[in-house]
Amino acid sequence: EAGVTQFPSHSVIEKGQTVTLRCDPISGHDNLYWYRRVMGKEIKFLLHFVKESKQDESGMPNNRFLAERTGGTYSTLKVQPAELEDSGVYFCASSQYVGTGVPDTQYFGPGTRLTVL
Amino acid sequence: AQKITQTQPGMFVQEKEAVTLDCTYDTSDPSYGLFWYKQPSSGEMIFLIYQGSYDQQNATEGRYSLNFQKARKSANLVISASQLGDSAMYFCAMRGLTSGTYKYIFGTGTRLKVLA
Repeated sequence: EAGVTQFPSHSVIEKGQTVTLRCDPISGHDNLYWYRRVMGKEIKFLLHFVKESKQDESGMPNNRFLAERTGGTYSTLKVQPAELEDSGVYFCASSQYVGTGVPDTQYFGPGTRLTVL
Repeated sequence: AQKITQTQPGMFVQEKEAVTLDCTYDTSDPSYGLFWYKQPSSGEMIFLIYQGSYDQQNATEGRYSLNFQKARKSANLVISASQLGDSAMYFCAMRGLTSGTYKYIFGTGTRLKVLA
């Protein structure tokens, strides 16, 4: 079974440019998450999709970030325009729905390393 | 507020020895789950082990065990018989089960180096 995949693995862009990150979750996983790790800091939650709906976007830093999951399959995270502080590793994770009150194990992709110059 | 604290930025262990990676947490959620992930240099995050706050016994998965002390709010990862391939970054994470959110809260990680 294929794991979570992310594309690209690395991206280097200049401040003010636009970048789009893609995540393909494990087949059949309704839950899809985006996280970000800035160098040396903890991994922080950005948002959570259930199928194509945004369940929780409390971690999105600002309106320069736009996440979509059309059709409930893959997801994209667009940063426009990119700023220096957006640099970091962006992780995607997916999980199956297991019911309320029971934790889902989230399976992570390898991440996209974004560098904004 | 929920918080995970990993106080060891880096650890060394001799091959074949056991090592404990510390994790303490803070949460107001009466029910929660605790997770450990391994991130080797290749970058992928690998799920290792899970402990529920309601579980009576400590979780074990092969050479990994979780030393869960609820009163102390600690969930330390124990790796027995360390191998060179265990060298990696290790993250502790938590998810509340009654707060209505599915997000994980992570610590800053511990980098483990296994010495030959």
